[in-house]
Amino acid sequence: QQQVKQSPQSLIVQKGGISIINCAYENTAFDYFPWYQQFPGKGPALLIAIRPDVSEKKEGRFTISFNKSAKQFSLHIMDSQPGDSATYFCAATPFGGYNKLIFGAGTRLAVHP
Amino acid sequence: GAVVSQHPSWVICKSGTSVKIECRSLDFQATTMFWYRQFPKQSLMLMATSNEGSKATYEQGVEKDKFLINHASLTLSTLTVTSAHPEDSSFYICSAAQQQNRLDYGYTFGSGTRLTVV
Repeated sequence: QQQVKQSPQSLIVQKGGISIINCAYENTAFDYFPWYQQFPGKGPALLIAIRPDVSEKKEGRFTISFNKSAKQFSLHIMDSQPGDSATYFCAATPFGGYNKLIFGAGTRLAVHP
Repeated sequence: GAVVSQHPSWVICKSGTSVKIECRSLDFQATTMFWYRQFPKQSLMLMATSNEGSKATYEQGVEKDKFLINHASLTLSTLTVTSAHPEDSSFYICSAAQQQNRLDYGYTFGSGTRLTVV
């Protein structure tokens, strides 16, 4: 019940295309869902996060879609660029109280020119 | 924005020696910090949760006597890998939690430490 399942494991997208990464969770206590971007040899950096009171959040080319009833959330990267090539992790945790993040397995995205 | 500084960025040590990794929150106070271990092409594995002024909480399977965590101040947590062995070689990452507002709950990560034990 603590797991966050992430798919796909890897993704290849052409420049200008849309990258879509999906995550699913079971624990209904989760109510904070961040996405992180990690480049090789670096720590993860927060991209965007959402709480269940909204179904979608957009920041620039990055959008989170959230389906509370299905317990699923996804990251959409519009107009994907070669510089977006990285590993993306979804995560979940109960909001507040400095709880530990539960990470998905990660998705390695390659954007080809 | 919140910045977490991790040092060193890479270290090579001999088997049997100890290595200390520092994690500092530069512009905020971090009551709670987290230590992760990451193997190549894998996700982050939480090792322990570090709370200022108290003992760390270790995840199941993590040897607390091998991975010593100290969180003596609100801006500094350290991870010491004791009696290091080649199998301890990994990428270690710290994270600090900060509530920024009602909607944003920031978990800021350090840049990681690549440990190689020879």
